[in-house]
Formats: sequence, C-alpha cells, structure tokens
Amino acid sequence: AQKVTQAQTEISVVEKEDVTLDCVYETRDTTYYLFWYKQPPSGELVFLIRRNSFDEQNEISGRYSWNFQKSTSSFNFTITASQVVDSAVYFCALANQGGKLIFGQGTELSVKP
Amino acid sequence: DAGVTQSPTHLIKTRGQQVTLRCSPKSGHDTVSWYQQALGQGPQFIFQYYEEEERQRGNFPDRFSGHQFPNYSSELNVNALLLGDSALYLCASSPQRWGSEQYFGPGTRLTVT
Repeated sequence: AQKVTQAQTEISVVEKEDVTLDCVYETRDTTYYLFWYKQPPSGELVFLIRRNSFDEQNEISGRYSWNFQKSTSSFNFTITASQVVDSAVYFCALANQGGKLIFGQGTELSVKP
Repeated sequence: DAGVTQSPTHLIKTRGQQVTLRCSPKSGHDTVSWYQQALGQGPQFIFQYYEEEERQRGNFPDRFSGHQFPNYSSELNVNALLLGDSALYLCASSPQRWGSEQYFGPGTRLTVT
C-alpha cells in the first residue's frame, strides 16, 4: 500500500522564523515521484517541487529547500525566514506509476507578523 | 497561456440530484485527473482520463463517472448525490509522462443539501 503521512496538522510561527514541514511516505515501488503543493485560502493547489526516487540531491529555491532521504522515507520541506504570504496549507504527495497522486493530510502553516 | 479552468465555481444541489462539473486542461496537456477534497483533508483521487478513456480509478462508487473529449477537456458526473459528496472538486492536467507535475484548477465547491 502507498501512503503519505504529514504528522504536523498545524504549525504557527512568527515572521522571519525558519520552519520545517515533515513528510513521511510508504511505497513498495522502487521508482516513484514525490511532490509538494501549496494551497492558499483561495483553494487552488500550486505546484512547488517534484523529486524522483533516484535523485536524493537536496534542492534549494530561494527561501524554500527540500531534503529527500530514502533511508528514512522522508521528504521534508523547509521555509527560511518565513513571511506572512507563506501562510497556507502544504501538501506532500506521492505519485504511482499511473500518475495517481496520493496526498498527505496537509500541514496548515500560519505565519504571524 | 491559460491554466486549468473549471466551471462552475460553486454549486448547490439537493440530495438525489445529479451534477456535471467541467474542466479544461492547460494548453499542451492531454491527461486530466479529478480529485475530491473534503474540508480539512487532502485531495482524494477519483479517476484519470487519457485518450478519452478512463486509465485509473480511485476508490469511488460508480455514481462517479467521467468523460474526456477530443479537445482533452473533461467532465465529472455524480449521480444520486449524497450529503457526503459535499466537497471541493479539483481537476488537474498534465502531459502523459509518468512523474509529470499535475497542474490544478481552482476547483468547484459542491454543496449538497
């Protein structure tokens, strides 16, 4: 069975703090893809990053960084120097071979000024 | 370049009625997937269409059906609506390459009374 777990339901930080969103996944496939999406209050899911199971290189994009560790089946997301505009629900997802996305429950991030 | 569009934005129906939701994919995308997102939950995969055929299906009853047209647009039909069908219905499009990121539309908020 495939599953994505985001244990943190809600996180609240003050602006400029760093915050890490955890994601743990389960799959028996040797080849798979992992994603992070952001869902602001407007409701539309915004794609942030894709990572395939063969590429464990960490990635940084501006204030965002991702840490993929196959050994612990984790794909964590860090926002450095958080801003109020980062407030949203963040979803981690796993793609099976057919392209079906399996989402976690989401982490609601609140960044206060 | 238009992104994924969905119509209508909001819909209110009565139990037992039928509903049709529509989706136009992002330009260049030929695969459409539908997801149901209940309040406070992650999106759940309903089904995926490619070349006008249903390619994958999630754990949803036959009351949920779909269609894809030659121009790649898609419809989601739900018959015999139940109160539990109230949710945000998200359409996502992608090219037919495994692991491609899926781009989501703004969703249709369905309320069943």
